[in-house]
Amino acid sequence: IAGITQAPTSQILAAGRRMTLRCTQDMRHNAMYWYRQDLGLGLRLIHYSNTAGTTGKGEVPDGYSVSRANTDDFPLTLASAVPSQTSVYFCASSDSGGRGPDTQYFGPGTRLTVL
Amino acid sequence: LAKTTQPISMDSYEGQEVNITCSHNNIATNDYITWYQQFPSQGPRFIIQGYKTKVTNEVASLFIPADRKSSTLSLPRVSLSDTAVYYCLVGDYTNAGKSTFGDGTTLTVKP
Repeated sequence: IAGITQAPTSQILAAGRRMTLRCTQDMRHNAMYWYRQDLGLGLRLIHYSNTAGTTGKGEVPDGYSVSRANTDDFPLTLASAVPSQTSVYFCASSDSGGRGPDTQYFGPGTRLTVL
Repeated sequence: LAKTTQPISMDSYEGQEVNITCSHNNIATNDYITWYQQFPSQGPRFIIQGYKTKVTNEVASLFIPADRKSSTLSLPRVSLSDTAVYYCLVGDYTNAGKSTFGDGTTLTVKP
């Protein structure tokens, strides 16, 4: 079982370019999340999805968009990258949905540098 | 969202018990408290979770007072491999978007 996979592992991107970070989980979890972690700091929630077909904004959604067409995939798109989006991006999933406390499982992260 | 506050860093020695406290003064009724561990260049991983009183598993204990405005992660007899960043997460299990990570506590275990 792979759990959560993210791609690419790392990327250097020119400012103004469009970029999609991919996230796939094979645990059939309802909820998925995207976080960013800046150097030396904690995780901040960008967007989330409680279930396929729904998405919501987290703490820092500006400049990012997501979609949840199916249970397994939750891509994060930067429409026009800016240097302040340089960060490590973590995708996570959990089997939440109101049935009880959940545990988030994290992917290995994507290190993005915007120049 | 319940804001969380943790100490920035802590030092310990091998074999000691370490207690890390997280403050979450405006925790809501539906919120659970979860602690995660993160090593460099890896995603966080689950340690322990609780709602109130005390929870214990094979790696840690979690103490939550009656008012639930704080929680304490207790790591018994730490080793060098426990050097990591520890995050407190207060989250509403009914809504994935209502989760807040603290800034984390960097624990350094010395020989």
